[in-house]
Formats: sequence, C-alpha cells, structure tokens
Amino acid sequence: GQQVMQIPQYQHVQEGEDFTTYCNSSTTLSNIQWYKQRPGGHPVFLIQLVKSGEVKKQKRLTFQFGEAKKNSSLHITATQTTDVGTYFCAGLRDSNYQLIWGAGTKLIIKP
Amino acid sequence: DAGVIQSPRHEVTEMGQEVTLRCKPISGHNSLFWYRQTMMRGLELLIYFNNNVPIDDSGMPEDRFSAKMPNASFSTLKIQPSEPRDSAVYFCASSFLGDQPQHFGDGTRLSIL
Repeated sequence: GQQVMQIPQYQHVQEGEDFTTYCNSSTTLSNIQWYKQRPGGHPVFLIQLVKSGEVKKQKRLTFQFGEAKKNSSLHITATQTTDVGTYFCAGLRDSNYQLIWGAGTKLIIKP
Repeated sequence: DAGVIQSPRHEVTEMGQEVTLRCKPISGHNSLFWYRQTMMRGLELLIYFNNNVPIDDSGMPEDRFSAKMPNASFSTLKIQPSEPRDSAVYFCASSFLGDQPQHFGDGTRLSIL
C-alpha cells in the first residue's frame, strides 16, 4: 500500500547545530502536515503544506513541499533544547482523504 | 477552548480483563481517530470515524478490539479480553474535516500485566 517514508529515524545534534528530516511518498499527495511530539506528550500540529514547491517558515523552522508533491522536508536552524522531540510528517492522499503517517524522526540534543 | 479529552490517563489491569478507553472530541469536529503508539510499531491508526460512522477500521488489530461512536461528542475503544501485547499509549484525535489538521488528546497509557 501507499507509504510515507521518513528519514532519519534519529538525529543527534549539538545544541546550535541544524536538523533536517525528510519525507518521501510513493505517490502524489494532496497535502502534507507536520507534527511535533515532545517526550511523554502527544503529537501537536505544526503546519500544513498544500501547493507544489511551497515553502513556509515558522521562526527557525523551514518546511518545504516538493514540486511533484511527493516529498517534503523540515529544517531547524540552530537547534535549542526546546526543539527536542519527535517530528512526524503525515501525507494526505486524494482517494479517501486519509493521512498516511511517517515513522517520525527523533531529535536528540547531545549533552 | 477544551481540547480532545481522553480518560482514563493511565490504566493498569491484568490480562483477560476488559478495558474501555473514552474520548470526547472537540465540539464541531466531525472526524475522530483512534491511534496506538508503541516503541516497536510507532504511531498506528486503528479506526477513523466521520460523522459518527466508522469509515476505515482496517487498522484494528483483531476482533478483541472494538470502537463505537454513539454520538458526535463521545467515542469508546474497547479491548476484550486484554493481553500484555496491547500495552501502549492510545491516542484519540479529532479534526473539523477528514483532511484537516488533527488535534490529539493527552492519551491513555495502558499497561496489561
């Protein structure tokens, strides 16, 4: 079935370094949503991208949606301890309006 | 504004017992989702309701699991009989429409001994 592959599974960074997570779908998506889950918490919606090639920014976070609407990325500049958590992408397929979730990328700040 | 409300927050019970998890979606949202999250399997969609009607229950693991939505403001997920491998965090989420961003509850941490 249709999948959304998300890599990497984990990323260890020093505070102040950048972080990027990537999502790839086998088929075209209607839109893609990004969520953040803090340790012990629940997923929280961050942003939704709809248009081909769309780029959106939230402070140090930059979200991109590919031209073919099959891939997306989240880039965090100069990570802070508050960024710790797992970042999920979730792609919406046109056929039945159901979200297909990536496996998540866990951001870990090295002590 | 009240978010998605789940109860109980924690549940510890012995295998073989019936477990009922409850969810109150955000008022006005017509889509409701039940998820299960474990370290091994990540976040899994169990069932999706639209306007109180189950649309996709293909993620329900087996017949021991059942879900109902008797009205727009309440849903239950029942496990009977429960097994240790059912231990997980169960999330309920709701959205205004099926393709809109989902709002998650705090989850129920279920431990089956």
